Amino acid sequence: GAGVSQSPRYKVAKRGQDVALRCDPISGHVSLFWYQQALGQGPEFLTYFQNEAQLDKSGLPSDRFFAERPEGSVSTLKIQRTQQEDSAVYLCASRTSGSRAGELFFGEGSRLTVL
Amino acid sequence: AQSVSQHNHHVILSEAASLELGCNYSYGGTVNLFWYVQYPGQHLQLLLKYFSGDPLVKGIKGFEAEFIKSKFSFNLRKPSVQWSDTAEYFCAVNADNAGNMLTFGGGTRLMVKP
Repeated sequence: GAGVSQSPRYKVAKRGQDVALRCDPISGHVSLFWYQQALGQGPEFLTYFQNEAQLDKSGLPSDRFFAERPEGSVSTLKIQRTQQEDSAVYLCASRTSGSRAGELFFGEGSRLTVL
Repeated sequence: AQSVSQHNHHVILSEAASLELGCNYSYGGTVNLFWYVQYPGQHLQLLLKYFSGDPLVKGIKGFEAEFIKSKFSFNLRKPSVQWSDTAEYFCAVNADNAGNMLTFGGGTRLMVKP
């Protein structure tokens, strides 16, 4: 597609449920990033993939958060046993191999609300 | 760890007023600097970027930003705002010791009154 596509756009989960958020990056973009944006704050880095390799997961807040990109294209962010503090917009971004770090194309995000 | 501060959380201006949004970062080494913008209902998009060279960089829609290394600042400016500039603006830093990580400020919500 023309841009980074994320689904679902909105997700409401009961506390304790597992959720999966999907990101389809721009075709050919080897680098993929997940960010978490809490209400009224800027995005915070979660994890980074280059192709299928997860090269940095230092931003994942707990072991309940897990991300994968098995074929180097679509990525899934999974949150197990959701808690209220997980409520946020989860942003996916991608970039080409030829661009500089920080030059990202963002998706519209998946807004997660945990009740 | 790097941090990025945007001092103005909300700014309200009338059309044709001049704009300056502040951004300061905490890292003392080499940095790449960015401003991203999020228009209502849309995704974050890159407004302008600084890697090296002329510290005054120009972006889309008449925006510019000036890197002042001694002040650890990268303020965003526009001489005359338009109603269509209403958006949230985020400053971001990629430090040379942070790999591919981009650190964002908390954002400034700009409202331009017609």
